[in-house]
Amino acid sequence: NAGVMQNPRHLVRRRGQEARLRCSPMKGHSHVYWYRQLPEEGLKFMVYLQKENIIDESGMPKERFSAEFPKEGPSILRIQQVVRGDSAAYFCASSPEDANIQYFGAGTRLSVL
Amino acid sequence: AQSVSQHNHHVILSEAASLELGCNYSYGGTVNLFWYVQYPGQHLQLLLKYFSGDPLVKGIKGFEAEFIKSKFSFNLRKPSVQWSDTAEYFCAVNGKGFKTIFGAGTRLFVKA
Repeated sequence: NAGVMQNPRHLVRRRGQEARLRCSPMKGHSHVYWYRQLPEEGLKFMVYLQKENIIDESGMPKERFSAEFPKEGPSILRIQQVVRGDSAAYFCASSPEDANIQYFGAGTRLSVL
Repeated sequence: AQSVSQHNHHVILSEAASLELGCNYSYGGTVNLFWYVQYPGQHLQLLLKYFSGDPLVKGIKGFEAEFIKSKFSFNLRKPSVQWSDTAEYFCAVNGKGFKTIFGAGTRLFVKA
């Protein structure tokens, strides 16, 4: 049973470009969470999704950031017009329905030049 | 507002020393508590969890944590650390199965 898969592991973008981060949850998991980890800081919640629904996006910046979890395919975190401050590690986690334990992917390290 | 506070950002120990990492939380309702570990270059792994019952919980690799409700604490302990325990440790709390709040993390370095 494969774990939570994130790709790419490393992503380099220039300012103003778009970044797309993908997350495939564990098999059987229908809940996906995105977190951002800035240097020397802990994980900050961004968004919680179930299939085709955003449940809680209270941690997501209002502009340039969006997330989706379509019926088919991985969850996508999209950052438009990236800025240097977006450089961070972005972690995805998944959980089975109504469970409290989240299983994490290896993360995507975004570097904005 | 919900928050998790980890007292030490960096801890350096020699092998065989005892470890205790502090974690305090503020949350208005029933809590679930977690410790995650992140080894260098790897993703977060669950070390142990508390949902209910015995407040002293055992985790993997000889770790344990004690939930003290009156102190809003969930400290992580290990009697004798090893070099391979070098990692970053995160305390986390949630209330209803989502929106887990993480502490800032404690970086542990164990000298061989």
